[in-house]
Amino acid sequence: AQSVAQPEDQVNVAEGNPLTVKCTYSVSGNPYLFWYVQYPNRGLQFLLKYITGDNLVKGSYGFEAEFNKSQTSFHLKKPSALVSDSALYFCAVRDMGDDKIIFGKGTRLHILP
Amino acid sequence: GAVVSQHPSWVICKSGTSVKIECRSLDFQATTMFWYRQFPKQSLMLMATSNEGSKATYEQGVEKDKFLINHASLTLSTLTVTSAHPEDSSFYICSARDSVSYEQYFGPGTRLTVT
Repeated sequence: AQSVAQPEDQVNVAEGNPLTVKCTYSVSGNPYLFWYVQYPNRGLQFLLKYITGDNLVKGSYGFEAEFNKSQTSFHLKKPSALVSDSALYFCAVRDMGDDKIIFGKGTRLHILP
Repeated sequence: GAVVSQHPSWVICKSGTSVKIECRSLDFQATTMFWYRQFPKQSLMLMATSNEGSKATYEQGVEKDKFLINHASLTLSTLTVTSAHPEDSSFYICSARDSVSYEQYFGPGTRLTVT
């Protein structure tokens, strides 16, 4: 069965600094990997996904993520953080042969002005 | 882009009553829909996979008699919380998978409070 680990409950970054939110995964086959963002009392907003191809995936709002097969990681990054990036971020995985998307526990990102 | 709606967006009900939540794919057909539950400050837990015209598949630990799922058309799935209790209070999020593209889209969620 697939699983996702987000080792950090919270990440604090000063505005303007680069940010990284970590994610590692486990699947039996080839992974589909996703990042979503959630603002308070709202649903999920899709940021980006990796299916195949280039390991560096660019997504919405200036975010990008790098797929690293050997380390089974899919860390979310942004070169320069904005206060408005403060939110809850979820990494998710779907095994290529499965229907279900499984979510990590989430990482709360605080961007400090 | 593809839109998934949920109705109601929030609901308050009394303990012992039943509540129905609707999930609709507005501009695409969805053979498969998913229901998730999110407790405050926690992750989304998959409750069940709903397939049009057939019985839902529930994840381990989810009571199928309590959380009734119906997927009667290619654009609508419903989740009914039966005999609700305060511990059922949660944020319920549905997701619909486009039957053509296989892309999965999430609804805005429904906040259920049971008093």
